[in-house]
Amino acid sequence: DSGVTQTPKHLITATGQRVTLRCSPRSGDLSVYWYQQSLDQGLQFLIQYYNGEERAKGNILERFSAQQFPDLHSELNLSSLELGDSALYFCASSVGDGLGPQHFGDGTRLSIL
Amino acid sequence: DQQVKQNSPSLSVQEGRISILNCDYTNSMFDYFLWYKKYPAEGPTFLISISSIKDKNEDGRFTVFLNKSAKHLSLHIVPSQPGDSAVYFCAASAQGGSEKLVFGKGTKLTVNP
Repeated sequence: DSGVTQTPKHLITATGQRVTLRCSPRSGDLSVYWYQQSLDQGLQFLIQYYNGEERAKGNILERFSAQQFPDLHSELNLSSLELGDSALYFCASSVGDGLGPQHFGDGTRLSIL
Repeated sequence: DQQVKQNSPSLSVQEGRISILNCDYTNSMFDYFLWYKKYPAEGPTFLISISSIKDKNEDGRFTVFLNKSAKHLSLHIVPSQPGDSAVYFCAASAQGGSEKLVFGKGTKLTVNP
């Protein structure tokens, strides 16, 4: 158990819809990272927050947004969903601002029908 | 443009023997490297890391070797156990780990009893 909690585990929705994925970091971790893993792909970095502020952005689509709340949990919002957005979405956390190993949750599997 | 490459999608070894997983990188700015293990339906689990100031790091049965001139790192597992069967991801970062992690696509290791 990494201590990182992601909900829901599975999400099935239709094209054009909007969903919110939630992540609670390990106790004491200030950084939260979001990754996307599509079929046969490695983990693609989307975005990082540190203590409530956006710190780094990867290949995140404009239809996607995220935030980190004062209690340090984070949400990833995906809107105008397309079939190609079907993937595993992982959240990870670390103590510092990008320093030290990241600890991953078990992911949310998003299926777009 | 894959900056971190794991050229072997799969590897099969006998229990008790050595498993060697390889990883190549192209970005000379990378100076912090990590290995993660992933079981099905779980998130990646941090295994071991190495900074570019070292060429070897050991943790129990796991040893990571770094060859900076060849831009190559490898993970050795000795002795291999059936419970080691998983997908192994190599990841790299710049600026001592404070930059985003870039992952390879993974190598599926199967350890046969």
